[in-house]
Amino acid sequence: GENVEQHPSTLSVQEGDSAVIKCTYSDSASNYFPWYKQELGKRPQLIIDIRSNVGEKKDQRIAVTLNKTAKHFSLHITETQPEDSAVYFCAASISNFGNEKLTFGTGTRLTIIP
Amino acid sequence: GAVVSQHPSWVICKSGTSVKIECRSLDFQATTMFWYRQFPKQSLMLMATSNEGSKATYEQGVEKDKFLINHASLTLSTLTVTSAHPEDSSFYICSARQGTEAFFGQGTRLTVV
Repeated sequence: GENVEQHPSTLSVQEGDSAVIKCTYSDSASNYFPWYKQELGKRPQLIIDIRSNVGEKKDQRIAVTLNKTAKHFSLHITETQPEDSAVYFCAASISNFGNEKLTFGTGTRLTIIP
Repeated sequence: GAVVSQHPSWVICKSGTSVKIECRSLDFQATTMFWYRQFPKQSLMLMATSNEGSKATYEQGVEKDKFLINHASLTLSTLTVTSAHPEDSSFYICSARQGTEAFFGQGTRLTVV
């Protein structure tokens, strides 16, 4: 089955700096890659996603890049703010459809230092 | 976005008793729902895939007789932790996908004493 690795497990950055989180996946059939943000005690929320037919996607301060050949994808957060502090999970799925499971990475605890 | 509601948010039970957790898709139909377990400071580990009208698909290492899943309607899946023990204490969270996006319930913190 699919295996998703995520690095780093913890990341601290100064407010205003950029943060990068990287994930690799094992199943070349995976074609959907979402990123979730989970604040303490709350449910994960989708922040951005990318499909395998796209190499990069950006939404304001957040961007995701995908390298299908190398089977890795990354989350980039620019101009970080204190409210960006949370745990971030990457995930991979072999299908865009609702009956396919997501395999999650191990998570990255991001701390923004004021 | 779509809403997935999970109940209860927290529960404390005695060892040996059973606990039922409900997961509802409030504004969409979900033929498939997913149940995850999350230990403190760890990732979401998929336990099983709940299929409406058929048997759930369990991940390797998950005891199907201990974690009973029922998906009797297009908007409701239930997870019953049977004969709970302290090691079953954890955060359980369900999810359903609408289109590509997965929406999560608010989670249930189970404490077995």
